[in-house]
Amino acid sequence: GQNIDQPTEMTATEGAIVQINCTYQTSGFNGLFWYQQHAGEAPTFLSYNVLDGLEEKGRFSSFLSRSKGYSYLLLKELQMKDSASYLCAVVDSNYQLIWGAGTKLIIKP
Amino acid sequence: ETGVTQTPRHLVMGMTNKKSLKCEQHLGHNAMYWYKQSAKKPLELMFVYNFKEQTENNSVPSRFSPECPNSSHLFLHLHTLQPEDSALYLCASSQDWSADYNEQFFGPGTRLTVL
Repeated sequence: GQNIDQPTEMTATEGAIVQINCTYQTSGFNGLFWYQQHAGEAPTFLSYNVLDGLEEKGRFSSFLSRSKGYSYLLLKELQMKDSASYLCAVVDSNYQLIWGAGTKLIIKP
Repeated sequence: ETGVTQTPRHLVMGMTNKKSLKCEQHLGHNAMYWYKQSAKKPLELMFVYNFKEQTENNSVPSRFSPECPNSSHLFLHLHTLQPEDSALYLCASSQDWSADYNEQFFGPGTRLTVL
């Protein structure tokens, strides 16, 4: 079977750094997406990794290790508006998106 | 604003009702999707349409009936639903259905409650 694992919930402090991990076991790999979803809103695209390494985009970075079946999303200088769910999704060998259950991130002042 | 709109945003219906969810995308995409999102569960892909043709039906009960009259519009017709069908129903679109870089753009969803 195909499986994506992420922590259910994390808490961090405003101004700090947080790392959200995602591990996957899928039939093939053709890329990994991270999406952000605020409560009651649409998921929105954050990042895409297909090669090993770190992709940086402002305060957000995403890392991929294909050999380990592992990715993380790194959020720096946390702001209250970063409180949201973060969804990890892998493109499998059939080019279908396999989704994790999401990580709810709570930011405290 | 993602370029994908959904109506209604909230829907409460009885088990014997018939209702429809509507999705429209203004992005010129060729593929459209229906997902079910339940609390603390992964997004469940229900249906995929590519160039108006249904390409995926992931064992969805027949009480859910999709319709795609053109590449910009997608409907989900609902009838004789069960309380366990209560969830957030998300519509998404992407440029193509089968591609490695397949960024999907989501609508805000319809929060459905079945009584």
